[in-house]
Amino acid sequence: GQQVMQIPQYQHVQEGEDFTTYCNSSTTLSNIQWYKQRPGGHPVFLIQLVKSGEVKKQKRLTFQFGEAKKNSSLHITATQTTDVGTYFCAGPGSGGSNYKLTFGKGTLLTVNP
Amino acid sequence: GAGVSQSPRYKVTKRGQDVALRCDPISGHVSLYWYRQALGQGPEFLTYFNYEAQQDKSGLPNDRFSAERPEGSISTLTIQRTEQRDSAMYRCASSPRNRANTGELFFGEGSRLTVL
Repeated sequence: GQQVMQIPQYQHVQEGEDFTTYCNSSTTLSNIQWYKQRPGGHPVFLIQLVKSGEVKKQKRLTFQFGEAKKNSSLHITATQTTDVGTYFCAGPGSGGSNYKLTFGKGTLLTVNP
Repeated sequence: GAGVSQSPRYKVTKRGQDVALRCDPISGHVSLYWYRQALGQGPEFLTYFNYEAQQDKSGLPNDRFSAERPEGSISTLTIQRTEQRDSAMYRCASSPRNRANTGELFFGEGSRLTVL
């Protein structure tokens, strides 16, 4: 079945440092979504990327979708303590299963103030 | 409320008991999902409803698990004869889109199940 892998599993940074998490799928994806889950909270949608090579920015967050549509990355510039949480990527199934999102294990980001 | 509502938030039960977890999705959302999330892991798909129709239950671990959404709104996930390995966070999510178009999922706060 489809597999979505994320690295690193954990990342600890000093406030102000940059952070990047990487997501790789075993299959070509029609789109990829990113979610953020704060400690003790629930996953909250951040963004969806659809086009090959797409780059989208949300303030200090930059999301990329690979040319082959099998990988993606999330980069945070100048981290803040409010960025703490687990970042998940998720890809839909293929064909008639595109409603079914497969989530990666996530990258837990902690920020030292 | 404006978000996805789940109840109970916490459920502690003894092994062998049945439990029912409830999800009230965002009003008007067509699609409803149940996911299970273990500590330190991403959400794992259990089942999917399009309106009242359960269109995919491939993620349900075994036949002790069942779900329904009889009127296309509120859904119940039932676990019969609970086992300790069923302990997890059960999350409901809804989406305004139908199965043909993936879009963002709106997750509830979850129901934390502990089986003693």
